[in-house]
Amino acid sequence: DAGVIQSPRHEVTEMGQEVTLRCKPISGHNSLFWYRQTMMRGLELLIYFNNNVPIDDSGMPEDRFSAKMPNASFSTLKIQPSEPRDSAVYFCASSLNLGLNTEAFFGQGTRLTVV
Amino acid sequence: GDSVTQMEGPVTLSEEAFLTINCTYTATGYPSLFWYVQYPGEGLQLLLKATKADDKGSNKGFEATYRKETTSFHLEKGSVQVSDSAVYFCALKGDGSGGSNYKLTFGKGTLLTVNP
Repeated sequence: DAGVIQSPRHEVTEMGQEVTLRCKPISGHNSLFWYRQTMMRGLELLIYFNNNVPIDDSGMPEDRFSAKMPNASFSTLKIQPSEPRDSAVYFCASSLNLGLNTEAFFGQGTRLTVV
Repeated sequence: GDSVTQMEGPVTLSEEAFLTINCTYTATGYPSLFWYVQYPGEGLQLLLKATKADDKGSNKGFEATYRKETTSFHLEKGSVQVSDSAVYFCALKGDGSGGSNYKLTFGKGTLLTVNP
């Protein structure tokens, strides 16, 4: 398996533009996570899907952020409109939710810069 | 809520030196504990894990023991190599007694640089 695949790897956009980040989880995994990594706040969970259903979106910063998982092999994280403070590395991770010690596999991340 | 505290570094060592990165946690019940490693420009990779008290996780010469009495999971390696240079994250996953049993809560990460 190729692992968790994220695209694009890098994104530079102007403030106010819409940004869409994409994720393809590992085939057969039923849990998907979006994390944001910044120097100030470290790694923060934005949203968690189980079997394509959003279970916990309490980490989504505000209404400008939205995430979807239309099927088991694809998820998007959208920011509209984007702001400079959204600049961060966004990671997607997937796992097979079999219990407490289940490992999460991370993609390589999308480095977003909003200017 | 759950939280993880780890020494923030940066840590700079010479090759073959002994490494310790401290990690303590706060959680209800019996969480699982993990160490992830992030190499430059890459995502996080699981390094090792432990799921119950006194368990020792080990991989690639790294070890960590789940100490419930001290709520700690310190990472150690007896002889580091230049290739170990990376950011190391301690993390926990709750057992559900305090709420979530799916969410990984991470420490801030520790940058390790090993010089030849």
